[in-house]
Amino acid sequence: EPEVTQTPSHQVTQMGQEVILRCVPISNHLYFYWYRQILGQKVEFLVSFYNNEISEKSEIFDDQFSVERPDGSNFTLKIRSTKLEDSAMYFCASRWGKGTEAFFGQGTRLTVV
Amino acid sequence: AQKVTQAQTEISVVEKEDVTLDCVYETRDTTYYLFWYKQPPSGELVFLIRRNSFDEQNEISGRYSWNFQKSTSSFNFTITASQVVDSAVYFCALSPTTSGTYKYIFGTGTRLKVLA
Repeated sequence: EPEVTQTPSHQVTQMGQEVILRCVPISNHLYFYWYRQILGQKVEFLVSFYNNEISEKSEIFDDQFSVERPDGSNFTLKIRSTKLEDSAMYFCASRWGKGTEAFFGQGTRLTVV
Repeated sequence: AQKVTQAQTEISVVEKEDVTLDCVYETRDTTYYLFWYKQPPSGELVFLIRRNSFDEQNEISGRYSWNFQKSTSSFNFTITASQVVDSAVYFCALSPTTSGTYKYIFGTGTRLKVLA
């Protein structure tokens, strides 16, 4: 069964460092998303990506964040200069069509120290 | 405003009991989608069901059933004869269509504990 794959599963980084979270969406999916979940809290939308460009971003997604689909299969989220409050579980999701269900990766737990 | 409210933060039941998880949503969109996801202790988000705003038919899948009532903006989820493996956090999500991205707006989740 196709699945969304995220790497790494856990990353520890020092405050101020850059991190890149990687995702391989399901191959025939067209819409891609990043969400985050601070420990014990709800899942929050960060950004959506379609047709090789950002289609919507939330207030959380400031200039420190960027997304790319560098090679047509991988989908990355970069945080340029991490802050302690960026510590969270980051989920990548993809869906085939707009009204279809999104499939989520297993998440990357980012810990900023 | 687009919002999902899951008022029940945590529910504990004894195995074999029935349990209903409540979800109330707010949107001005006439077309939207509603979803339920399960987040087991391992942390992944597992899709359970999708409903569009034009389909108010209730659905049953094994021990799971969903009651969508547009008049009360609710999309409740019932587990019949609960099992320990049902222990998880359950999220209700709204996907409005106006913005064009169909992003998810999640509720805060309900933690369900099923005791043996």
